[in-house]
Amino acid sequence: DTGVSQNPRHKITKRGQNVTFRCDPISEHNRLYWYRQTLGQGPEFLTYFQNEAQLEKSRLLSDRFSAERPKGSFSTLEIQRTEQGDSAMYLCASSLRERGRGTEAFFGQGTRLTVV
Amino acid sequence: LAKTTQPISMDSYEGQEVNITCSHNNIATNDYITWYQQFPSQGPRFIIQGYKTKVTNEVASLFIPADRKSSTLSLPRVSLSDTAVYYCLVVSNTGGFKTIFGAGTRLFVKA
Repeated sequence: DTGVSQNPRHKITKRGQNVTFRCDPISEHNRLYWYRQTLGQGPEFLTYFQNEAQLEKSRLLSDRFSAERPKGSFSTLEIQRTEQGDSAMYLCASSLRERGRGTEAFFGQGTRLTVV
Repeated sequence: LAKTTQPISMDSYEGQEVNITCSHNNIATNDYITWYQQFPSQGPRFIIQGYKTKVTNEVASLFIPADRKSSTLSLPRVSLSDTAVYYCLVVSNTGGFKTIFGAGTRLFVKA
């Protein structure tokens, strides 16, 4: 399977614990995005990388959240001191930088986080 | 970022054509109109993209008027498996995939 891969698919954690999610993008894609989706809502942009550089972060990304993309390959999203409001589906997507068209992003299946 | 407005939900029957209209009044020159489909517990999946006039692929058509302030996704002869949420997005050709999804349109196809 050469699509975007996310691990784990599901994570249940106790409030206050730290969690880390991993995303492996499509190999030739230089851009990687994290989105968060709560039930009944569309995905919300969190942050994106071009290669290893984090180019933009949403105000939704509080200081408890940190994302990295070492060497421009896979990415990790860490949430420290989780809160119940962090419960959501965390989606990763990747794309190529293309000219002459709008960006087409390919999404993974997401990591569903439940904070109890 | 340009926001979009689309109906919250639509119902249809198998075999019918479904048209979902989206408005995007603040679309910029560099923006493309892009539609995604999402099934429960899966990530969104690209359906079609266009800049102006009409675009057609193997699953859908996209109609965009000259002013580009709206667009219509057309799904020919829907089946039960087309039951999903459909998102209309405005995506730049320069700023990556930073976009606003909104709540999308929940399409329910009945037998």
